[in-house]
Amino acid sequence: AQSVTQLDSQVPVFEEAPVELRCNYSSSVSVYLFWYVQYPNQGLQLLLKYLSGSTLVKGINGFEAEFNKSQTSFHLRKPSVHISDTAEYFCAVSLPGGYNKLIFGAGTRLAVHP
Amino acid sequence: EAGVVQSPRYKIIEKKQPVAFWCNPISGHNTLYWYLQNLGQGPELLIRYENEEAVDDSQLPKDRFSAERLKGVDSTLKIQPAELGDSAVYLCASSLLTSTDTQYFGPGTRLTVL
Repeated sequence: AQSVTQLDSQVPVFEEAPVELRCNYSSSVSVYLFWYVQYPNQGLQLLLKYLSGSTLVKGINGFEAEFNKSQTSFHLRKPSVHISDTAEYFCAVSLPGGYNKLIFGAGTRLAVHP
Repeated sequence: EAGVVQSPRYKIIEKKQPVAFWCNPISGHNTLYWYLQNLGQGPELLIRYENEEAVDDSQLPKDRFSAERLKGVDSTLKIQPAELGDSAVYLCASSLLTSTDTQYFGPGTRLTVL
């Protein structure tokens, strides 16, 4: 079975500082990897996804993530955050060839302070 | 293009009462998902439809939960009777059929059971 661990439940950061949100996964087979963002009182929105190919994936809003197979990690990064990036971020996995069942981590709350 | 629509956005009921949630997916998306999101947790899949067929309902508590997707478009999720522990956000998502297609989420229905 697959599982996802988001290592930080909360990450406080000042505006314009860089940020990294950590995600590790457990799986005996290859997986697809996703990062979603959830703004207050809204549904989840896809930031980026890794299916295959280049291990560095660029997404929307200036975010990027790097797939590291040996460390089973898929950390999310942004070089300079804005107040508007304050939200909950979820890492998720699914199985290639499966039916697109997402398994989510518990989430990381990013709080950007002025 | 309209996104996934859910109603109501908020619902407060007393325990043992019935409640229903409605979802209208993105036009052309034949796959529809219902997720449960408890406070401080990531979403967990309850049921997945391909067109009008429920292809994975293994996580749906069938003693009190039911769902339908008539004509393969809109879907309704029902709880009868509701319990205190059902207080959560119920998210609907839709996608195309393949395993790599992005799931698009609605804003959710926040249920409070008193």
